[in-house]
Amino acid sequence: SQELEQSPQSLIVQEGKNLTINCTSSKTLYGLYWYKQKYGEGLIFLMMLQKGGEEKSHEKITAKLDEKKQQSSLHITASQPSHAGIYLCGADKRNAGNMLTFGGGTRLMVKP
Amino acid sequence: DAGVIQSPRHEVTEMGQEVTLRCKPISGHDYLFWYRQTMMRGLELLIYFNNNVPIDDSGMPEDRFSAKMPNASFSTLKIQPSEPRDSAVYFCASSFTGEEKLFFGSGTQLSVL
Repeated sequence: SQELEQSPQSLIVQEGKNLTINCTSSKTLYGLYWYKQKYGEGLIFLMMLQKGGEEKSHEKITAKLDEKKQQSSLHITASQPSHAGIYLCGADKRNAGNMLTFGGGTRLMVKP
Repeated sequence: DAGVIQSPRHEVTEMGQEVTLRCKPISGHDYLFWYRQTMMRGLELLIYFNNNVPIDDSGMPEDRFSAKMPNASFSTLKIQPSEPRDSAVYFCASSFTGEEKLFFGSGTQLSVL
């Protein structure tokens, strides 16, 4: 089965600081998805990466997929309290489109 | 569109009782997924449907769990009998063929005492 390990498990940063969350797979990824979950709510889609070396950005969040397609990073620049939440990476389980397995999540707190 | 709608938002029940969680996917979506989230195990896929047909239920933990999708606009996840270890947040998500992302509901917080 697809195992996704996220690090760190939790993170507390001062507002304005940059941060990086990592997601590592035991197998080559067909597709890597990043979601954000606000406490007590459902998951919201951030980005999807498919090609080795691919990089995507949305506002102050940048996600990258390495060339071997086994590791992804999510980088937040100049963090804000609105960035707080749980970030989860998900993998396309069988190259079947959107049937995803998820990593354990990274809990982010941003101190004002 | 109102998004994926789950009910109830919170459910507290006693061990041994039957629990039914409900989900209304986004209109036009042909995929529906049930996930369970706990601190220990994270977010786990339980079962998913395509065009109302169960495709993969390998994530359903035990025979106590069952899921149905009688039509394109409604699905249920039933636990009978419930146990304290079933306490978790249960999410429903929907999507459609060719779409790269899942649309999640707000979840049902289940507590089995």
